[in-house]
Amino acid sequence: DTAVSQTPKYLVTQMGNDKSIKCEQNLGHDTMYWYKQDSKKFLKIMFSYNNKELIINETVPNRFSPKSPDKAHLNLHINSLELGDSAVYFCASSQESSPAETQYFGPGTRLLVL
Amino acid sequence: AQSVTQPDIHITVSEGASLELRCNYSYGATPYLFWYVQSPGQGLQLLLKYFSGDTLVQGIKGFEAEFKRSQSSFNLRKPSVHWSDAAEYFCAVGSNNRKLIWGLGTSLAVNP
Repeated sequence: DTAVSQTPKYLVTQMGNDKSIKCEQNLGHDTMYWYKQDSKKFLKIMFSYNNKELIINETVPNRFSPKSPDKAHLNLHINSLELGDSAVYFCASSQESSPAETQYFGPGTRLLVL
Repeated sequence: AQSVTQPDIHITVSEGASLELRCNYSYGATPYLFWYVQSPGQGLQLLLKYFSGDTLVQGIKGFEAEFKRSQSSFNLRKPSVHWSDAAEYFCAVGSNNRKLIWGLGTSLAVNP
């Protein structure tokens, strides 16, 4: 019973391609997040949705576009991939958008851009 | 500005030894404080959190943390480390703009 799942787990692609990462949570949470973790393990929030509404939109290139078809799903589409996009992307969810809430993380998607 | 500092980038301990991972934060109000663990190749998992009340918080896997307001610290401790505790540990503070402010992490290695 995976709580937060991401697909694919690994993604290897060429520069300039467009790719998507999918995330689903079965916890009944209202809030979902996308994080980027670089090679030094630094975690950076990218986006957050609460009940399908975008509530956090950090300084991220507009090549990155999140989409939340319903509150259980948050997908991330990346256009024109660049070498610097290589990282691990984590999806997470929480019951609400409060800073007091525990976030539950997916296993990550390891993206390598060649 | 809100920030979280984990002064130790990398720590190595022997199995069975005690462990303390340091975390200092900068935040104006009473903080929401978290420790997460990331095992190799995995996502992050909550170890424990503090909002209010008893300043000594118990978590999973035998971990505890103590909130010290005077020192702006929330250090993580374990009395006896197991080899399976080798992982990356992240301290975070919940900010008033719905984001978690993350530390840079401490990598723990455990010698047999």
